[in-house]
Amino acid sequence: DGGITQSPKYLFRKEGQNVTLSCEQNLNHDAMYWYRQDPGQGLRLIYYSQIVNDFQKGDIAEGYSVSREKKESFPLTVTSAQKNPTAFYLCASSGQFRLDTQYFGPGTRLTVL
Amino acid sequence: AQTVTQSQPEMSVQEAETVTLSCTYDTSENNYYLFWYKQPPSRQMILVIRQEAYKQQNATENRFSVNFQKAAKSFSLKISDSQLGDTAMYFCALKYQGGSEKLVFGKGTKLTVNP
Repeated sequence: DGGITQSPKYLFRKEGQNVTLSCEQNLNHDAMYWYRQDPGQGLRLIYYSQIVNDFQKGDIAEGYSVSREKKESFPLTVTSAQKNPTAFYLCASSGQFRLDTQYFGPGTRLTVL
Repeated sequence: AQTVTQSQPEMSVQEAETVTLSCTYDTSENNYYLFWYKQPPSRQMILVIRQEAYKQQNATENRFSVNFQKAAKSFSLKISDSQLGDTAMYFCALKYQGGSEKLVFGKGTKLTVNP
């Protein structure tokens, strides 16, 4: 089946730790995105990548880092510099054309203890 | 700046009835797409329907249709014959050409379908 997978589904982190969220897609999509969702709000863009080995900051990139070494994979690291990391994180991907539809993975719920 | 506004935080409808969710947006771009996404309790974001701004005809997907009023910058979603499985958060979103690749989301409308 083609789709986007995210792991883990739930993640707990102690303050001061870095954690990495996984996102993999087998849709052969060029572009990949990371969004954050907080209660009562829509999604906000953290980082996006339109091509391998290149990525751009979104609206709320501070305290996060990404890499794009393979077309299929776009992991997100939540660093200790992120002041309020508890949130739901969604990964998405889309085709090569700018207005292509974005499709989403099932998400990761991160909780800081 | 591009913005998307959903003015109804919560709505409810009886099973088998019709409900309309409102969305207004603001953009100075000419080439853009509009989307409705559904987020059920599982929290997976699912595409419901999309509308290309250059098309005058309203998009339709089975029980879901939109009323796209470009001049008024309005993009409402109509759900006909509502089903219990339609219970979810619904997000309106805008994607435009020329800027970053992000979707601009509204804050969502929580729809409850009652038996």
